[in-house]
Amino acid sequence: DQQVKQNSPSLSVQEGRISILNCDYTNSMFDYFLWYKKYPAEGPTFLISISSIKDKNEDGRFTVFLNKSAKHLSLHIVPSQPGDSAVYFCAASDPGTYKYIFGTGTRLKVLA
Amino acid sequence: EAGVTQFPSHSVIEKGQTVTLRCDPISGHDNLYWYRRVMGKEIKFLLHFVKESKQDESGMPNNRFLAERTGGTYSTLKVQPAELEDSGVYFCASSPRLSGNTIYFGEGSWLTVV
Repeated sequence: DQQVKQNSPSLSVQEGRISILNCDYTNSMFDYFLWYKKYPAEGPTFLISISSIKDKNEDGRFTVFLNKSAKHLSLHIVPSQPGDSAVYFCAASDPGTYKYIFGTGTRLKVLA
Repeated sequence: EAGVTQFPSHSVIEKGQTVTLRCDPISGHDNLYWYRRVMGKEIKFLLHFVKESKQDESGMPNNRFLAERTGGTYSTLKVQPAELEDSGVYFCASSPRLSGNTIYFGEGSWLTVV
C-alpha cells in the first residue's frame, strides 16, 4: 500500500524550460515533506522541504508547492539545466511513527 | 563535517552466505534509519534507531535480517543467510531529531546475491 506516490516514472524537458515533478500522498497526518535528488550509484541528496503548515517553499531554482486538500505536492525547477538530470524522490514524514516514507521516484532528463 | 558513511560500497555474495553492512551516521545524530531500494522501486523503510534503541523495525523483511546499534553510534545490518531477493541497495540515513526535519543519506551499500 503506497502512501506516497509518484505516478510519472520519467519526464523529459528542454534545457531552460520548467520541470514539474508531482507527488501524491494518502495520509493527511503527514507533517513534513521532502524532495531528494539521486544520481546513479550515489545516495539520495536532500533538495528542498516543506512543512505542512505552509503551501510554498522556494530555494533558488527550486520551488515546492503543497496542496493539503488535494494531498498533492509538486517540485518546480526553473530554469532546468542538464545537471538536473537525475531521479527525484518525494518523501513524507509521519509524526505518528517517525517514519519517512518515500515514493518510487521520477527520472528527469533535461535535454540540452 | 563528515556525512553518513557506509561500508562496503559493493558486495557480491553467494546465496546462503552472510553479509554485514555498516553505517556511521553524522556525529551527534541520534536517529539512524536503514532503507532498501530494489531496482526501480521505492526507497523502502527497514528500521529506525533512536540512539541504541529500536524505535521501529516494522520494515524488516524477515528474521534473516538483524540490525544493531551498540552504544548508539554506528549501526550494522546483517543478512544471514542471504537469499537472491535480498539484492538491492541498502541506504543508511541519519537525522538529529525524531520528525519534521531532514534526514541525510549515505552513498549506499550495493548488495548482489548470486
